[in-house]
Amino acid sequence: QVQLVESGGGLVKPGGSLRLSCVVSGFNFSDYYMSWIRQAPGKGLEWVSSISISGTYIWYADSVKGRFTISRDNAEDSLYLQMNSLRAEDTALYYCARGNSYAPGPYSYWGQGTLLTVSS
Amino acid sequence: EIVLTQSPGTLSLSPGERATLSCRTSQYISSNYIAWYRQRFGQAPRLLIYAASSRATGIPDRFSGSGSGTDFTLTISRLEPEDFAVYYCQMFGTSPYPFGQGTKLEIK
Repeated sequence: QVQLVESGGGLVKPGGSLRLSCVVSGFNFSDYYMSWIRQAPGKGLEWVSSISISGTYIWYADSVKGRFTISRDNAEDSLYLQMNSLRAEDTALYYCARGNSYAPGPYSYWGQGTLLTVSS
Repeated sequence: EIVLTQSPGTLSLSPGERATLSCRTSQYISSNYIAWYRQRFGQAPRLLIYAASSRATGIPDRFSGSGSGTDFTLTISRLEPEDFAVYYCQMFGTSPYPFGQGTKLEIK
């Protein structure tokens, strides 16, 4: 069955960096757009970034543009989010999600999330 | 930037009742690019409706979506206990791809 498993979350000091990973199985990763969505504690969902099938097209929320970098390795069935210059407001549960073959959404499958805490 | 506004913020109903949730966009959106998700406490969101009115795989027919332009609606015809959760609408036509702030459906 389809599975998305995020990892790499943890406690980071403000200004620090971290790389999140999402390994998928149960579908052909290289056929789908992928995205990262986050949810701050007790808050709603916030779209973070999306990447096209080949990685040619990438989109970011204004709140992370210039600090976060999304990438994918189709040979490894893996999605990544490199996060630099982290701020307290980046504290959230980060989900990876599968889009469509022709569009970033909708998100038909989600992982269970990995928690990032930014605190001194 | 398009903003999605959901109403009401909280909806208190009883099992078996009908729920109507609204999502209003700040600009015209093609109905092809509107989706609805349900998020139960402590769980990842689940896709319910895509293209405004199409049910996702495995979603029961008590869930229906409608709307066009700037006004979209999710209707749950007969509430089951597992439906008491938070619901989000989302658009994904052109970046950014915002979510609404959510509607919490609680047991009355």
